[in-house]
Amino acid sequence: GAGVSQSPSNKVTEKGKDVELRCDPISGHTALYWYRQSLGQGLEFLIYFQGNSAPDKSGLPSDRFSAERTGGSVSTLTIQRTQQEDSAVYLCASSLGRQGGNEKLFFGSGTQLSVL
Amino acid sequence: GENVEQHPSTLSVQEGDSAVIKCTYSDSASNYFPWYKQELGKGPQLIIDIRSNVGEKKDQRIAVTLNKTAKHFSLHITETQPEDSAVYFCAASGYSTLTFGKGTMLLVSP
Repeated sequence: GAGVSQSPSNKVTEKGKDVELRCDPISGHTALYWYRQSLGQGLEFLIYFQGNSAPDKSGLPSDRFSAERTGGSVSTLTIQRTQQEDSAVYLCASSLGRQGGNEKLFFGSGTQLSVL
Repeated sequence: GENVEQHPSTLSVQEGDSAVIKCTYSDSASNYFPWYKQELGKGPQLIIDIRSNVGEKKDQRIAVTLNKTAKHFSLHITETQPEDSAVYFCAASGYSTLTFGKGTMLLVSP
């Protein structure tokens, strides 16, 4: 079956513009995560959705970042007024959602965001 | 919150040699420790995981060990092959989301 799908795969934008990144999780997965991967850095947690529960937004670096998950499936990560330090690979992952974070995550290939 | 340190940041070995990557964590409540492999241009993929009730786990050429007292865990790859070349991430989790280390770039030379 299909894995986690992210679009676009690459996004180049100008400083100050807004961007939207999309994630289609694996069908049936109730948990969805967004991570950010900067050059030479690990995976930085951004936000976590689990079913109908309120999302865990504790990793969002500023109020310019927001995310939503519609109908318990597709998720969109929005970055407003982009800055050069926002340049990174944004990774989405999904999981069955039966063991919180203590289970296998399935990652998409990511969106490479470049802010000029 | 949880803090995960990973060493080394880069590791070069000859084909057939063993490779060891080490991680330490800070939160004694963490009880799940996965390892992910990331190839160029792809997302990370789970290769092995261990839970706190187990000290060691093996899967063919890959093994993970866990020392809860010392709060460290390690990935061991034996008989390395060129296709093992990738970035490897350790992670730790207690009650919710995973905290990842900064990764180890493993290069296996033929």
